[in-house]
Amino acid sequence: EAQVTQNPRYLITVTGKKLTVTCSQNMNHEYMSWYRQDPGLGLRQIYYSMNVEVTDKGDVPEGYKVSRKEKRNFPLILESPSPNQTSLYFCASSLKTGTPLHFGNGTRLTVT
Amino acid sequence: EDKVVQSPLSLVVHEGDTVTLNCSYEVTNFRSLLWYKQEKKAPTFLFMLTSSGIEKKSGRLSSILDKKELSSILNITATQTGDSAIYLCAVDRGTGGFKTIFGAGTRLFVKA
Repeated sequence: EAQVTQNPRYLITVTGKKLTVTCSQNMNHEYMSWYRQDPGLGLRQIYYSMNVEVTDKGDVPEGYKVSRKEKRNFPLILESPSPNQTSLYFCASSLKTGTPLHFGNGTRLTVT
Repeated sequence: EDKVVQSPLSLVVHEGDTVTLNCSYEVTNFRSLLWYKQEKKAPTFLFMLTSSGIEKKSGRLSSILDKKELSSILNITATQTGDSAIYLCAVDRGTGGFKTIFGAGTRLFVKA
């Protein structure tokens, strides 16, 4: 089944403890992206990748890192999480730029 | 600053009603406008509108892009309870990379 898989689905952590949210797609998509969704603000783009080893900042990149070493994987790293990073995170992929996004099921992160 | 504004933010209707959701945008290097439906989890793709495809229809849903007015509408006729969801409008921008900006969404609730 074609899908974007994120793990974990739920995560509660403490301020400053490094964490990684994994994202994997099995559709051979070139484009991958991370978003956070907050009430009243909609989805905001954190980072995106147009292909392997090609990543760029979205609109809210502060406090996040990404890497794209393989085409299928695009992990999101929070080196030192803070409470303002409590949010619902979505990974998405598309065949190439300019085509519709396929979203993962989301990761609900709480930082205390 | 690029932005996408959706209205109304929320809407309650009765089954069988027709609804119109609005999306306006101010972005540099517009490429396309997309509509997504978000129920409990991941957003799912509805329509993509570009300069070469300004009107789309699928069943009871239809959408039009007005490039002159920098806006789009999503129409849903004969609404059903299963149409209850958040409807997201997104604009792809080609500003030296490929960024997507989302509106805050319209939360639609259809009463039986």
